[in-house]
Amino acid sequence: DIQMTQSPSSLSASVGDRVTITCRTSQTISIYLNWYQQRPGKAPKLLIYSTSSLQSGVPSRFSGSGSGTDFTLTISSLLPEDFATYYCQQSYITPLTFGGGTKLEIK
Amino acid sequence: QVQLVQSGAEVKKPGASVKVSCQASGYTFTTYGITWVRQAPGQGLEWMGWISADNGNINYAQKFQVRVTMTRDTSTSTAYMELRSLRSDDTAIYYCARNESSGLGYWGQGTLVTVSS
Repeated sequence: DIQMTQSPSSLSASVGDRVTITCRTSQTISIYLNWYQQRPGKAPKLLIYSTSSLQSGVPSRFSGSGSGTDFTLTISSLLPEDFATYYCQQSYITPLTFGGGTKLEIK
Repeated sequence: QVQLVQSGAEVKKPGASVKVSCQASGYTFTTYGITWVRQAPGQGLEWMGWISADNGNINYAQKFQVRVTMTRDTSTSTAYMELRSLRSDDTAIYYCARNESSGLGYWGQGTLVTVSS
């Protein structure tokens, strides 16, 4: 199975900050990396697919980059509704695997 | 609009089985597969497997291979996930999600399954 390592596991930031979350995979997955946001008590929501493509309806302050084994999710200017947990997921091969999550908290 | 509506919360005893349903609407059911993901309390997301809504082909995570069965009923646009021989560590929220080439684009609201004696 492909192992997914997300960092940091938690992050404190302020409204307006720029934040970056990293995801590293145990083997190359080309660009088959997705990012999800999960708010407390809610189902995950797809933000970014295929490394850098923005899901319909997702604000442009979210962006993704990377290839191979190293990927990043960047939020350019945090809004209050962005404080949530973020997960990366590889869709290169089954079993699909998720990172452990990054909890983004208000400083 | 696309919706995936799951069945309600369940409480089961160890050793029992649970069957969770996921009814799709707002799109042609057989166009997309359905993936099942679970999330233990306070933990991350775990992929359980996938079923093609078109032909019923399945792909289970090895961890669940012997205990899970995923099925679908195209006449009611409903997917099902049955997990047998439940243990306390199966306590989790179980989600269905629409499997798109771009990722898991639509999710059900989740079904809490509690396993307790």
